[in-house]
Amino acid sequence: EPEVTQTPSHQVTQMGQEVILRCVPISNHLYFYWYRQILGQKVEFLVSFYNNEISEKSEIFDDQFSVERPDGSNFTLKIRSTKLEDSAMYFCASSEAGELFFGEGSRLTVL
Amino acid sequence: GQNIDQPTEMTATEGAIVQINCTYQTSGFNGLFWYQQHAGEAPTFLSYNVLDGLEEKGRFSSFLSRSKGYSYLLLKELQMKDSASYLCAVRDSSSNSGYALNFGKGTSLLVTP
Repeated sequence: EPEVTQTPSHQVTQMGQEVILRCVPISNHLYFYWYRQILGQKVEFLVSFYNNEISEKSEIFDDQFSVERPDGSNFTLKIRSTKLEDSAMYFCASSEAGELFFGEGSRLTVL
Repeated sequence: GQNIDQPTEMTATEGAIVQINCTYQTSGFNGLFWYQQHAGEAPTFLSYNVLDGLEEKGRFSSFLSRSKGYSYLLLKELQMKDSASYLCAVRDSSSNSGYALNFGKGTSLLVTP
């Protein structure tokens, strides 16, 4: 069964460093998303991406964040100058416009 | 904006039936989704309602009333493996072609022997 894959599964970084989280969405899906979940809190929407551009973004998705689809398969989230409060599980998801299919997540720990 | 409310925690007994409620307020409604999330894992899709009424899928059913801004997820014949967080999520019709979902805080269900 097709699935969304994410790498790395866990990344530890120093405050102020840049991180790139990678995702391979399900191949025939057209809509891509990043969500984050701080430990013990709810799943929060960051950004959606369609037709090679951002279609929606939340207030969380400020200038510190960017997304890119560098080729036909990968979808990346870049976090610049990481802060302690960026520590969270970051989920990538994709859809055909119905339900969202989530990857297993990348756990980011900022020290 | 959206406001989604669901109980924080519920406990039920193995073999029983449990109903998890969700109320929402949204400027435009384009579907309600239920997801299951085990601790440390990704959310997995359970059900989708866009019209009023009951959708049944095996042991899981979901109900929607758009006029009341209300949904529930019904789990029958509870099993220990059903212990998880259940997330109510709403899609806003005003979304700009993004089809994004806005999630509630989730209901942590504990199934006891």
